[in-house]
Amino acid sequence: GDSVTQMEGPVTLSEEAFLTINCTYTATGYPSLFWYVQYPGEGLQLLLKATKADDKGSNKGFEATYRKETTSFHLEKGSVQVSDSAVYFCALSGNDMRFGAGTRLTVKP
Amino acid sequence: DTEVTQTPKHLVMGMTNKKSLKCEQHMGHRAMYWYKQKAKKPPELMFVYSYEKLSINESVPSRFSPECPNSSLLNLHLHALQPEDSALYLCASSQGNRGGQPQHFGDGTRLSIL
Repeated sequence: GDSVTQMEGPVTLSEEAFLTINCTYTATGYPSLFWYVQYPGEGLQLLLKATKADDKGSNKGFEATYRKETTSFHLEKGSVQVSDSAVYFCALSGNDMRFGAGTRLTVKP
Repeated sequence: DTEVTQTPKHLVMGMTNKKSLKCEQHMGHRAMYWYKQKAKKPPELMFVYSYEKLSINESVPSRFSPECPNSSLLNLHLHALQPEDSALYLCASSQGNRGGQPQHFGDGTRLSIL
């Protein structure tokens, strides 16, 4: 069945560092791919999405490109801030929504 | 601000109590979901409603009983819960339940079973 694998972390970075969180997927068909972010005490917020190969999703300085050839959807940000500290979930939507295990990011001043 | 509203935000109940969690959305979405999330884990799907009909029940124990009174509301009735049911319960909605659509989540109800 469909599945998502993401680096579990935790990841700790200094402010203004470059961020990459790896996500790969296994799916039949052509799923849509998502990144969700969960801040402490809150639900999941949709961060960005891509619906087909080579699509780039972007929001709030975060980017991810749907790479069919490598079945990947890695999340990147050029300069992280303390306020980006949260848990990030990669997800795919084929017949249903599948989440990765989540990656906890801590950004230190 | 989230467009999916869940109440209450926190709930503490004994194992013999009966309580309900409520979820409301006004985005015109026709699919609604209940998830359970334990600490440091991703959400686990419990139920899916599509056009107000239960379409998926992920083998959830009968002590959890979902209800969809109309297209904007989703309830989760709780009875005789166990301590291991303590978790964050998340409601979500999407335009439909066809694949490929993003889900919009509420902030959840944090449930503690004594």
